[in-house]
Amino acid sequence: GAGVSQSPSNKVTEKGKDVELRCDPISGHTALYWYRQSLGQGLEFLIYFQGNSAPDKSGLPSDRFSAERTGGSVSTLTIQRTQQEDSAVYLCASSLGGGVVGYTFGSGTRLTVV
Amino acid sequence: GQQLNQSPQSMFIQEGEDVSMNCTSSSIFNTWLWYKQDPGEGPVLLIALYKAGELTSNGRLTAQFGITRKDSFLNISASIPSDVGIYFCAGPPTGNMLTFGGGTRLMVKP
Repeated sequence: GAGVSQSPSNKVTEKGKDVELRCDPISGHTALYWYRQSLGQGLEFLIYFQGNSAPDKSGLPSDRFSAERTGGSVSTLTIQRTQQEDSAVYLCASSLGGGVVGYTFGSGTRLTVV
Repeated sequence: GQQLNQSPQSMFIQEGEDVSMNCTSSSIFNTWLWYKQDPGEGPVLLIALYKAGELTSNGRLTAQFGITRKDSFLNISASIPSDVGIYFCAGPPTGNMLTFGGGTRLMVKP
């Protein structure tokens, strides 16, 4: 597609439920990133996929968070047993070849855990 | 871990005013980036800096890569209402992951 597409744009879930957030990167972009933006805060790195290499999961805050990228394209971020502190905007970005200047962000998924 | 300190955290602007913000890091960067985020959108790259001392402009925006390689500055001249939003500095200490500052929120004076 023309840009990075994320869905849903908004998600309200009950504490303890699992959620899945989807990211559809720009076609041909081999690198994909997930970041989290809490209210009034900067962006916190979560996970990085590059081609067929093992992902860099060093930013995932707990084992309730996981992500996968199927076929080198679409990625899903899963949060199990959601907690109120998981409420944030989850941003996905992609780039061609992992070059930092070439990051293009999606509009994000605003997750609210009630 | 890597930390970026961005200031001010927020500021009110009046149309026509010049605006300045800065970012400092705890370690040396080889790249500094400045992004703007509009409400409900992801950040968009404004300016990229690659060399200590570099001064780069993009319209009314000017950014500088500090000579110590630990700081960067963004100036907006003659601000207009559409300049409101959140401005982030960012840089990669190593590898391909961006580390972001806490952001500077620009608002319009009532």
